[in-house]
Amino acid sequence: QKEVEQDPGPLSVPEGAIVSLNCTYSNSAFQYFMWYRQYSRKGPELLMYTYSSGNKEDGRFTAQVDKSSKYISLFIRDSQPSDSATYLCAMSDSGGGADGLTFGKGTHLIIQP
Amino acid sequence: DTEVTQTPKHLVMGMTNKKSLKCEQHMGHRAMYWYKQKAKKPPELMFVYSYEKLSINESVPSRFSPECPNSSLLNLHLHALQPEDSALYLCASSQVTGPNQPQHFGDGTRLSIL
Repeated sequence: QKEVEQDPGPLSVPEGAIVSLNCTYSNSAFQYFMWYRQYSRKGPELLMYTYSSGNKEDGRFTAQVDKSSKYISLFIRDSQPSDSATYLCAMSDSGGGADGLTFGKGTHLIIQP
Repeated sequence: DTEVTQTPKHLVMGMTNKKSLKCEQHMGHRAMYWYKQKAKKPPELMFVYSYEKLSINESVPSRFSPECPNSSLLNLHLHALQPEDSALYLCASSQVTGPNQPQHFGDGTRLSIL
């Protein structure tokens, strides 16, 4: 079983819809959770960063972490065509090491005008 | 525009060539990273530098040679690469290393090996 599972999509929704993107993970040591947005031919752009369980909101974006279920979500309200991109979840544990991030495979999101 | 700048944006090279990728950040970050990303795959960690010293090498072949000349600059020297090394090479930085440090990525160098 892979450490981080993320549905690769594509996920296609109409403009204005609420989008829900999700990741599940198996390593209970993960404490820090990130969502990155990656446009075609660009590097990943940090969208949201959360620590442990709870919600965090930034504009149209809400990140949610449920550590008991090992499940994280990113909600996008009032979705726009410019939100069309690949969304990568990433996480790291509290081991104190210098390791890089563990990424999900990414979900390809398409917002239809 | 990202705050991590990578050059060149594209590079095509033969298997016998020697070339270098360059990464710069001026955010005062003391941790810098190289990742490799194949199409429709997530980034895979290659190297981690902390305070200009190599702290992690994820079993990367010796044909990839990283260098961190100062706290703002990270290079990746390439020699005798294979066609399977064609990928997007991403540089990232964070304030310091550690699990609670979000990483900021550049736009990458798209490398093609002929």
